[in-house]
Formats: sequence, C-alpha cells, structure tokens
Amino acid sequence: KQEVTQIPAALSVPEGENLVLNCSFTDSAIYNLQWFRQDPGKGLTSLLLIQSSQREQTSGRLNASLDKSSGRSTLYIAASQPGDSATYLCAVRRWAGSYQLTFGKGTKLSVIP
Amino acid sequence: GAGVSQSPSNKVTEKGKDVELRCDPISGHTALYWYRQSLGQGLEFLIYFQGNSAPDKSGLPSDRFSAERTGGSVSTLTIQRTQQEDSAVYLCASSLVGGEGYNEQFFGPGTRLTVL
Repeated sequence: KQEVTQIPAALSVPEGENLVLNCSFTDSAIYNLQWFRQDPGKGLTSLLLIQSSQREQTSGRLNASLDKSSGRSTLYIAASQPGDSATYLCAVRRWAGSYQLTFGKGTKLSVIP
Repeated sequence: GAGVSQSPSNKVTEKGKDVELRCDPISGHTALYWYRQSLGQGLEFLIYFQGNSAPDKSGLPSDRFSAERTGGSVSTLTIQRTQQEDSAVYLCASSLVGGEGYNEQFFGPGTRLTVL
C-alpha cells in the first residue's frame, strides 16, 4: 500500500528565505506526483504536476523535483512571501489507469513578515 | 461555473442525524471524486464517478455513506446516522476525463462537517 510522508509537519520562516518542503513515498511505481496548496477554509489548488518521466517542473518561484527511484520529491520556494503561508500537500497517482490520489498529511508553512 | 462548488460550506449536526453534502463539478468534466480530510490526517479517497459507469465506492468507510450523481453532473454525498468520527472536511474534485491519461483534478472548497 502506497504511503506518502511529508516532513516537516510545520515550518516557520522569515520573509525572503528560500525553503524546501519534502515528500517521500514508499512505492516508486508512480504515474505522476502533484503538489497542492491548501488555504484555510478553501479547497486545494494545484501548483505543479510532475510526470514520472520528468525530473522537475517550474512555475514562477516554485520548483518541484522528482526522484522516483528513491521515492522522493521536493518543492522549492524561492524568496518566500507572507502570501505563501498555507498547507502544502503532495499526492501521488499510482498508474495511468488509476484515478486515486494518495496524499501526504501536508506541511503547514508560515512565512513571517 | 468557473470552478468546483460545494454546499453547504459548514454543517453542524447532532449525532444520529442524516446529512447531505452537494458538489457541482466544473461544466464538462466527466469525472467526479469525493475525499475526506479528518483532523491531522491526509485526504482519504471516498468515491469516484466517471460518466455513466458504475461508481467506484471502494473508499467509503461504512454503509452509512452513499453518493449519487444525477445526470452526470451534480453529486450528493449522504451520511446516515452520523457519528462523531464523521466530523471532517469533505472535498469534491472533478476532472475532464477519468481513467488513463493526464487528468488533473480540480478541487472545491470543501464542506466542514461537525457532528456533536
């Protein structure tokens, strides 16, 4: 059974710092991995999706990497801003014909002005 | 609409009562998913609808939970005889297609259910 772990569970950084969020998964046979952002009282917003054949994806100040063989992904946030404060979730999809996503419990990020 | 919508946004109920949660997917999306997010837990898959196919109910935690999707659009998740452990945020998502291929899921804001 696929298990997804995110470390740390919570992180507090001063504004402007670069930071890395970690995600690990136990079964490396994945189809893709997705990073989401969740704001309180709101749904999930997709940030980046990495197919299993890709090594990284970038969007603005965000960069996600994937090392499928070691079962790890990182989300790098450059020059953090208070507006980045949210819970970040990673989720893996097992194979092309599977629609279920397995989620980690998330990392709650606080960026202090 | 522009995104997935859910109603109500918050629901407080007494133990033993039945509740209905509603999801309006993005227009044109054929696949619809329900997830549950309990305090301190990751999102847990509940049920999946794809077009007119029989839904995948493998994630429903008990027979008190059921869901339907009328006309291939709006979905209702029903919890009968609610228990305190049912308290959670219930999230709905939709995607353009289900099954194989790239099918990014777009999530609604969720319904926060509190069972007293």
